Amino acid sequence: QQQVKQSPQSLIVQKGGISIINCAYENTAFDYFPWYQQFPGKGPALLIAIRPDVSEKKEGRFTISFNKSAKQFSLHIMDSQPGDSATYFCAAIGGGSQGNLIFGKGTKLSVKP
Amino acid sequence: ETGVTQSPTHLIKTRGQQVTLRCSSQSGHNTVSWYQQALGQGPQFIFQYYREEENGRGNFPPRFSGLQFPNYSSELNVNALELDDSALYLCASSFPGTRVSNEQFFGPGTRLTVL
Repeated sequence: QQQVKQSPQSLIVQKGGISIINCAYENTAFDYFPWYQQFPGKGPALLIAIRPDVSEKKEGRFTISFNKSAKQFSLHIMDSQPGDSATYFCAAIGGGSQGNLIFGKGTKLSVKP
Repeated sequence: ETGVTQSPTHLIKTRGQQVTLRCSSQSGHNTVSWYQQALGQGPQFIFQYYREEENGRGNFPPRFSGLQFPNYSSELNVNALELDDSALYLCASSFPGTRVSNEQFFGPGTRLTVL
């Protein structure tokens, strides 16, 4: 069964620290791996995404690291801020299906001042 | 550029009733996908509409149905509501055929409560 496994379930980080969230996937046909940020009562917002032909992508304080051979990818949030406190979802899509985003179960991040 | 909008924001129904949720896609996007997000879970794919035709479906029963209109807006209909249908229903729009065709942009969702 197609799935994306995400860890940890929750994460507490001090302001200025690095937040790291990990995901693993099974289906090697996946070819697009986005991360979404969701605040309570809101829809998920696309944060950053990567394709398997690159090993790292950086946008501001957010970096995706991608390990194709291990079928793993991770989100790093540098200099974490209290405003980053939200739930983060990794996802995957591909294998010929346009709409079938497969989501992880989410990581609730709390950044303490 | 107008983002994805959904209506209503909240809805309370009783078991056995029917509900219709609405979505307007982001300007220029011709594909709409619907997801169900139970409390504390990641979104689950229901189905996708592309140019008014269903273009893929997740593991949801036939009482979940949809429509897409010529202006690319969409409806999600759920018949014979069950308690487990209580969730946040999310609509996402995208524009396949481009380099960034996998990008899906979500609306704020409709919170459905079934009593």
